[in-house]
Amino acid sequence: LAKTTQPISMDSYEGQEVNITCSHNNIATNDYITWYQQFPSQGPRFIIQGYKTKVTNEVASLFIPADRKSSTLSLPRVSLSDTAVYYCLVPWGGSQGNLIFGKGTKLSVKP
Amino acid sequence: GAVVSQHPSWVICKSGTSVKIECRSLDFQATTMFWYRQFPKQSLMLMATSNEGSKATYEQGVEKDKFLINHASLTLSTLTVTSAHPEDSSFYICSASVGRGGNEQFFGPGTRLTVL
Repeated sequence: LAKTTQPISMDSYEGQEVNITCSHNNIATNDYITWYQQFPSQGPRFIIQGYKTKVTNEVASLFIPADRKSSTLSLPRVSLSDTAVYYCLVPWGGSQGNLIFGKGTKLSVKP
Repeated sequence: GAVVSQHPSWVICKSGTSVKIECRSLDFQATTMFWYRQFPKQSLMLMATSNEGSKATYEQGVEKDKFLINHASLTLSTLTVTSAHPEDSSFYICSASVGRGGNEQFFGPGTRLTVL
């Protein structure tokens, strides 16, 4: 049973900033939040991981409020190649390694 | 770094045969490897978790005698689908955990299994 909730789909246009919010109300004290991207017929690709406040890397930013019950993945200036399914994940069952995938958010970027 | 490979990338077999899929961590030692299955337009479903040198832990509803997992070393895990049937046709994905800090997993490219 997935512990996260995120929108099923989102549409955007090239060059726009996209923010995908995920709720994880039952996140445990030690849990990290991880986001993955998946293209059709490929394995998921790690995007970013965070524990609190803000994390930024070369592809995205992750914003986590103080209560950590939600997180927002921010993709700056998306392009057509960012069209994919994005998964927000928190561990399950007490083990940091157990990741249960929810349905993810299908992002469609239009020209 | 942190590259995971799978072999083969696709396989077609006849019903009743067995198929072995290999998962390798190429540039790191993975304490834990995971096997997922993904049907078309669906999310990944965790099948089992394996640690090197010990028996795999299977998720509820996954037949351990049908999906044999061997984790012989810190860089290799294999999944054998025994007596495959058409309903086993799916996209099988492995991942490996580097085990540092949080729960970061690195995924392989997947193996497309088609059972005729």
